[in-house]
Amino acid sequence: DAGVTQSPTHLIKTRGQQVTLRCSPKSGHDTVSWYQQALGQGPQFIFQYYEEEERQRGNFPDRFSGHQFPNYSSELNVNALLLGDSALYLCASSLRGGIFYGYTFGSGTRLTVV
Amino acid sequence: LAKTTQPISMDSYEGQEVNITCSHNNIATNDYITWYQQFPSQGPRFIIQGYKTKVTNEVASLFIPADRKSSTLSLPRVSLSDTAVYYCLVGPPYNQGGKLIFGQGTELSVKP
Repeated sequence: DAGVTQSPTHLIKTRGQQVTLRCSPKSGHDTVSWYQQALGQGPQFIFQYYEEEERQRGNFPDRFSGHQFPNYSSELNVNALLLGDSALYLCASSLRGGIFYGYTFGSGTRLTVV
Repeated sequence: LAKTTQPISMDSYEGQEVNITCSHNNIATNDYITWYQQFPSQGPRFIIQGYKTKVTNEVASLFIPADRKSSTLSLPRVSLSDTAVYYCLVGPPYNQGGKLIFGQGTELSVKP
């Protein structure tokens, strides 16, 4: 049973560039959330997608945007990259309304901005 | 959302029982308590969730007193592979799309 798949695993970008990260949720899950985890810190909630719409958003600027596709997969886009955007970006999926067995996280994308 | 407080780090030895306590004084009536485990360069992994009293699964036990202002994650007979960061979270039922609010977690180091 495939869990959450994220791509790419590692990425190096230059300040000012744009980046797109991808996530395929666990089979049977319909909700995707994105988190940013800086070194030594807990993950911080960016936003959540359900039924192809952004349902909740954390305290992140508009440079962070996303999308959910009909097959429930999702993308996270970050524009005008800053050095401070360097972090591990995690995708988590779940089934809304189902029995809760916990969000399933992917292994993340390590983004380095230079 | 309720804020949680947990020790920054803990040390243990293989075979011991480890108890990690989390304080959540402002927990709301409909909040659940959830614990996650995270290894380096991996996403967090759900361990256990509870609302009150005691919950046990194949991995851990969760003890919640009547006032629900704290909770204790109990890991029986830890091994080296239990070395990880453990996060305590509180929030509304997550099957309704609730977002997870992570603190800094407790870094558990298990020594031989």
